[in-house]
Amino acid sequence: ETGVTQSPTHLIKTRGQQVTLRCSSQSGHNTVSWYQQALGQGPQFIFQYYREEENGRGNFPPRFSGLQFPNYSSELNVNALELDDSALYLCASSSRVTGGVSGELFFGEGSRLTVL
Amino acid sequence: ILNVEQSPQSLHVQEGDSTNFTCSFPSSNFYALHWYRWETAKSPEALFVMTLNGDEKKKGRISATLNTKEGYSYLYIKGSQPEDSATYLCASPAGGTSYGKLTFGQGTILTVHP
Repeated sequence: ETGVTQSPTHLIKTRGQQVTLRCSSQSGHNTVSWYQQALGQGPQFIFQYYREEENGRGNFPPRFSGLQFPNYSSELNVNALELDDSALYLCASSSRVTGGVSGELFFGEGSRLTVL
Repeated sequence: ILNVEQSPQSLHVQEGDSTNFTCSFPSSNFYALHWYRWETAKSPEALFVMTLNGDEKKKGRISATLNTKEGYSYLYIKGSQPEDSATYLCASPAGGTSYGKLTFGQGTILTVHP
């Protein structure tokens, strides 16, 4: 059983650019959630994808968008990067079938984005 | 309490000491309380998911209790070891369901000195 993998692990962008982060969910998991962790804070919920549709969004602007593919992998896209977007972006997968409504999340190691 | 809050923010203990942390969460519309351990350069890993008032869960030297009526959970580590050094996060679902939409506390950073 493969775990959650994210790419790239580190990247540097400049203000105004766009970035795409990728996540492969754990085998058998149909739900992917994205979190942003800024320095000194806990992870903050960005949005969740289930059956290729966005299923809930946190307090993030529309320039944060995503996709989920038929194999349940997912992308997080951020347009018009700002300095405050510098953070660790975590992807987490879960299963609504086996985990139920209280299912634990399985996280990747994150993508560290630095915006200069 | 409107948010999930953890205390202390950081903790330094000696090997062999027992320690505990606190997580406070909104007690209204409670659904579940998650605890995760996050070691440096690794991914967060679930320790416990607790749903019932009075729940007590144990995994090796680590245990957790839950009080949903007053909105707190304690995580205990008995006989801390250097490998227990990590950030411990608690989280609770926002808005009633737990399909991965968790509100996290800021974490407690534990350092266990040999």
